[in-house]
Amino acid sequence: AQSVTQPDIHITVSEGASLELRCNYSYGATPYLFWYVQSPGQGLQLLLKYFSGDTLVQGIKGFEAEFKRSQSSFNLRKPSVHWSDAAEYFCAVVTNSGGSNYKLTFGKGTLLTVNP
Amino acid sequence: DAGITQSPRYKITETGRQVTLMCHQTWSHSYMFWYRQDLGHGLRLIYYSAAADITDKGEVPDGYVVSRSKTENFPLTLESATRSQTSVYFCASSGPLTGFAYEQYFGPGTRLTVT
Repeated sequence: AQSVTQPDIHITVSEGASLELRCNYSYGATPYLFWYVQSPGQGLQLLLKYFSGDTLVQGIKGFEAEFKRSQSSFNLRKPSVHWSDAAEYFCAVVTNSGGSNYKLTFGKGTLLTVNP
Repeated sequence: DAGITQSPRYKITETGRQVTLMCHQTWSHSYMFWYRQDLGHGLRLIYYSAAADITDKGEVPDGYVVSRSKTENFPLTLESATRSQTSVYFCASSGPLTGFAYEQYFGPGTRLTVT
């Protein structure tokens, strides 16, 4: 079965430091991958997506992610974190249950705390 | 306003009562989804719909009923609410598969408390 693992439940970084959030997926075919961000009390907002092509994808708010097939990973990065980046981050992969049905399988999330 | 909306945003109900959570989207997206979010479990899919009058169960459908008579609406009903259904519920929608429009757009959520 398809799955997504986010190994880090909680990460704390200092403002201005670089950030990398890990995501590993389990899926046989070429995966369609996403990162979402959820601020407290809000819904999920799409940060970026990977479908094919260039393995380094750029997203909103200065985030990028790199798809590495050999490692089954899709890690999210940001060179310099801002206090407003404090939120929960979710990795997701498209899963297809046949025909036109599809779903997203989400990881359990990584909570990011930013220290001043 | 354009987008995806949920109502109510907050709801307190008693055990055994029926409650319906509403979801409305203005994009004419084909797909719509209901998730619940709980600490330690992340997001879990309850039901989804590929088009009007087509619905299917997700990971945790027990105790929930959905319908989709119109493309833009996807109500979720708890027929007899239980305390274990206390959660934050999110609705999402997604366009057609052409153009790889798999990304889902989420509503603001409904926080439901069952007492």
